[in-house]
Amino acid sequence: QKEVEQDPGPLSVPEGAIVSLNCTYSNSAFQYFMWYRQYSRKGPELLMYTYSSGNKEDGRFTAQVDKSSKYISLFIRDSQPSDSATYLCAMTRTGTASKLTFGTGTRLQVTL
Amino acid sequence: DGGITQSPKYLFRKEGQNVTLSCEQNLNHDAMYWYRQDPGQGLRLIYYSQIVNDFQKGDIAEGYSVSREKKESFPLTVTSAQKNPTAFYLCASKTGSKAGNTIYFGEGSWLTVV
Repeated sequence: QKEVEQDPGPLSVPEGAIVSLNCTYSNSAFQYFMWYRQYSRKGPELLMYTYSSGNKEDGRFTAQVDKSSKYISLFIRDSQPSDSATYLCAMTRTGTASKLTFGTGTRLQVTL
Repeated sequence: DGGITQSPKYLFRKEGQNVTLSCEQNLNHDAMYWYRQDPGQGLRLIYYSQIVNDFQKGDIAEGYSVSREKKESFPLTVTSAQKNPTAFYLCASKTGSKAGNTIYFGEGSWLTVV
């Protein structure tokens, strides 16, 4: 079993929809949680970063962490065609030199 | 502009040859990383370095080698011992040593074995 599980999709939604992307993990020591967006043939870019449990909002994006359930989510409001990309969750803990453990990524397609 | 530069973007290698991927950063970051990305497997850590002249193996180091002679440079050599080298290679860097510091990625290098 992988340490981080993420549905690969693809997930197709109409423009303007609310998108929910999720990851589950098994290592309770993870404390830092990130979401990266990766366009085709490009490097990942950091979208959201959360420490421990709770919510964080940045514009149309909201990241949620539920450590009790070992479950993290990324919500995208008013989705746009430019949001079409692969979304990677990543996490790490102290004492690991920031070695990130990644999910496999979810491919999102926002249609007109 | 500050950032992480990887070169070449696309590289073809014949079986049995070694190739070196370049990674340069001008962010003054201390730590640097090499990840490999394959379809359906996410990113996997090859090597990482927290300071100059020091580096550690990641999860899939076999068939790869690195050096860290300068703070801004962390080249990766894919040797002929790497059995399945065709992949997308990503270099990353991070300032400081705290786990919570943010990691930034370069644009990646595509390696194809022909």
